[in-house]
Amino acid sequence: GAVVSQHPSWVICKSGTSVKIECRSLDFQATTMFWYRQFPKQSLMLMATSNEGSKATYEQGVEKDKFLINHASLTLSTLTVTSAHPEDSSFYICSARDQGHQPQHFGDGTRLSIL
Amino acid sequence: GIQVEQSPPDLILQEGANSTLRCNFSDSVNNLQWFHQNPWGQLINLFYIPSGTKQNGRLSATTVATERYSLLYISSSQTTDSGVYFCAVEWDSGYALNFGKGTSLLVTP
Repeated sequence: GAVVSQHPSWVICKSGTSVKIECRSLDFQATTMFWYRQFPKQSLMLMATSNEGSKATYEQGVEKDKFLINHASLTLSTLTVTSAHPEDSSFYICSARDQGHQPQHFGDGTRLSIL
Repeated sequence: GIQVEQSPPDLILQEGANSTLRCNFSDSVNNLQWFHQNPWGQLINLFYIPSGTKQNGRLSATTVATERYSLLYISSSQTTDSGVYFCAVEWDSGYALNFGKGTSLLVTP
């Protein structure tokens, strides 16, 4: 079945650090990947849609200069949290679909803690 | 966007009991998925069910697309069923999933 791999699973770093999270589709190509954020005891909220070879589409209220998305190949999208601050601490998770009329598959998520 | 409402928000069951979780959505959808989020945050895909009925062991799901709701049945619940159950819908192919707020389930021994 379709597998989405996300790395790293856990990051703890100091305020002001930039953190890169990778999302890979292991056995299929994904022209579109999605990035979600989940705060404690809340649901998943879409942050942005990552499009291979073009600019990402950000949801309202998500700073594109803060959360840089690069979808350079059909199997890899990266999310970089630039100059991270404690309020950026959250659970970040990506998803992708193999093709139309198929379920979306999720990575295992990245728990980001900014001290 | 599409509104997704899940009920109940919280549920406590004794081991062995059955339960039904409900998901209502406000518009026609191309995709509906049920997930179980475990304590480590992993989203386990339970069902891809834009319409019809499916069963997988003790779990089954039914989506009535014309009436815009889906039900997740858990039979003979076990403590390992504890966690948050999310319903998520996609209004058209190529779009992101829109998640409900989830049902937090606790199964006690």
